[in-house]
Amino acid sequence: RKEVEQDPGPFNVPEGATVAFNCTYSNSASQSFFWYRQDCRKEPKLLMSVYSSGNEDGRFTAQLNRASQYISLLIRDSKLSDSATYLCVVNKSGGSYIPTFGRGTSLIVHP
Amino acid sequence: DTGVSQDPRHKITKRGQNVTFRCDPISEHNRLYWYRQTLGQGPEFLTYFQNEAQLEKSRLLSDRFSAERPKGSFSTLEIQRTEQGDSAMYLCASSRGGPGTFSYNSPLHFGNGTRLTVT
Repeated sequence: RKEVEQDPGPFNVPEGATVAFNCTYSNSASQSFFWYRQDCRKEPKLLMSVYSSGNEDGRFTAQLNRASQYISLLIRDSKLSDSATYLCVVNKSGGSYIPTFGRGTSLIVHP
Repeated sequence: DTGVSQDPRHKITKRGQNVTFRCDPISEHNRLYWYRQTLGQGPEFLTYFQNEAQLEKSRLLSDRFSAERPKGSFSTLEIQRTEQGDSAMYLCASSRGGPGTFSYNSPLHFGNGTRLTVT
């Protein structure tokens, strides 16, 4: 089983739609979680950290479920510019600060 | 904010040649990471440094790969005797780090990457 798993998609949604991605992780001792966005042939960029209580940044909401070992990203009112790959990142625990990436979920927002 | 810079942006080499990439992290960041990414996959961890110490290296990394960070600032990644399977985007990232919970929540800042093509 991979350490971090994501549905690769693509998720194809119309503008204005709400879309949600999940990401599961295998190591129950994982300490920190992030969502990154990656545009085609560009480097990943931090979208948001994920906190235990859940957090929101504008149209984006991230949640963590430690019991079920998954994190989620909700995008409301999708824009064309949201089209990208969304990478789930989990920090490997045990003293090694090694962020582990999922394979990413592709989102395509169409007019 | 100068960000993370990588050089070169693109490298085309013939199989069997050696290549070296450079990464300059954000100046106040003491952690530096190398990742490799192929099409349709997420970045795969290769190795990381805290200051000049190489603290971990992926078991998937063959002995043809070596990385250094001699003065705790810039880093180089060398691939010897390149193979076609080495073709990928090589990403460098840096972050602040140290003991304590703050370290866990320090996100990575990536450079633009070096795209390697081995022919």
